Amino acid sequence: QLQLQESGPGLVKASDTLSLTCTVSGGSISSSTYYWGWIRQPPGKGLAWIGSAYYDGSTYYNPSLGSRVTMSVDTSKKQFSLRLSSVTAADTAVYYCVCLMAYSHYMDVWGKGTAVAVSS
Amino acid sequence: QSALTQPASVSGSPGQSITISCTGTSSDIGGYNFVSWYQHHPGKAPRLMIYEVRNRPSGVSNRFSGSKSGNTASLTISSLQAEDEADYYCSSYTTSITPLYVFGTGTKVTV
Repeated sequence: QLQLQESGPGLVKASDTLSLTCTVSGGSISSSTYYWGWIRQPPGKGLAWIGSAYYDGSTYYNPSLGSRVTMSVDTSKKQFSLRLSSVTAADTAVYYCVCLMAYSHYMDVWGKGTAVAVSS
Repeated sequence: QSALTQPASVSGSPGQSITISCTGTSSDIGGYNFVSWYQHHPGKAPRLMIYEVRNRPSGVSNRFSGSKSGNTASLTISSLQAEDEADYYCSSYTTSITPLYVFGTGTKVTV
């Protein structure tokens, strides 16, 4: 059964870059069936899609984040990553990595989430 | 891209049925049958409950059902149980600007 686990620092300084990694187990990160994505939930707010990456390197990002977001997939390590630059307090959130079904467009498997706070 | 609109809260007694609406536009809900619903207990990972408007993943109770009419999708929970108390989010695929996913504002279900 596919499982996802996020890892990364829980505290990032304002204006720095937030970096998170998601490790995939129990399934193939190179499968054409899946996209690999990140979703976040700021305190007291709802879920928001950050972006998705495919095993071939193609990526799609939420336009609201502009050029601050970068995602990548490392098939050799069975990991995918998120980098968010120039963070502010508004980027404080619980970050979830997800497995999206490529053709049916739903988030089938979620990681447990990792809380990231941005300090001034 | 604006969030899909859900009621902030819905409540019901054990055994009753409730329905949560999710309103979007012709660029998302109205344009595609890629509506999904997620149950979220605070502190836990969200769980997929419905995909492609009305399909249930294995392991999800048949008390949960989904539908769509025009730009509005709905999630119905029948025979409400205490364990159903959670936040629920709808989501839709959209290509209005670039292929992406939009979530609903979230609904707190109280049993």
